[in-house]
Amino acid sequence: GQNIDQPTEMTATEGAIVQINCTYQTSGFNGLFWYQQHAGEAPTFLSYNVLDGLEEKGRFSSFLSRSKGYSYLLLKELQMKDSASYLCAVRAHSGNTPLVFGKGTRLSVIA
Amino acid sequence: EAQVTQNPRYLITVTGKKLTVTCSQNMNHEYMSWYRQDPGLGLRQIYYSMNVEVTDKGDVPEGYKVSRKEKRNFPLILESPSPNQTSLYFCASSSLGGTRAFFGQGTRLTVV
Repeated sequence: GQNIDQPTEMTATEGAIVQINCTYQTSGFNGLFWYQQHAGEAPTFLSYNVLDGLEEKGRFSSFLSRSKGYSYLLLKELQMKDSASYLCAVRAHSGNTPLVFGKGTRLSVIA
Repeated sequence: EAQVTQNPRYLITVTGKKLTVTCSQNMNHEYMSWYRQDPGLGLRQIYYSMNVEVTDKGDVPEGYKVSRKEKRNFPLILESPSPNQTSLYFCASSSLGGTRAFFGQGTRLTVV
């Protein structure tokens, strides 16, 4: 089966750094995705990792360790608008096979 | 502008009354899919399609139908909606082998 775990909720302070972890157990692996979703809105793509290591994109970075089945999303210089749910998703097979989503981590940024 | 368009955005209906939620994309993507999102359960895939006339069940297909007669459209059909299908629905598309999916704005469905 496929299983993706991430914390349900996190709270962090404006201007700080927060790390959202994701662990996965899937029958195969062909990429890990992070999406941001504001309440009631569509998910929007943040990052994609298929090889081990860190991918940096502005204030957001994503890390992957395939041997550990582990990823994290790092958000720096937090802003109030970063309050949202962050979804970890894995593509378990090659080709354009369906993504398996975690249940999401709801991040609240406080002043 | 590249986009995935769902209609309607909001719908309240009664049990048993057939309905269709439309989804259209303008990016010539081969791959399209439907998800439902419920509190505490996250996004769960209902059906997906790799190309025209090719559809497959996702994790929660019961009570739903889809069709893919044209590349740009992927409607979701509820033949006899029930209250447990009250949910937030998202359509998504991507190119085959693509590294990101584009989501529609969502359809909030309430079945009473």
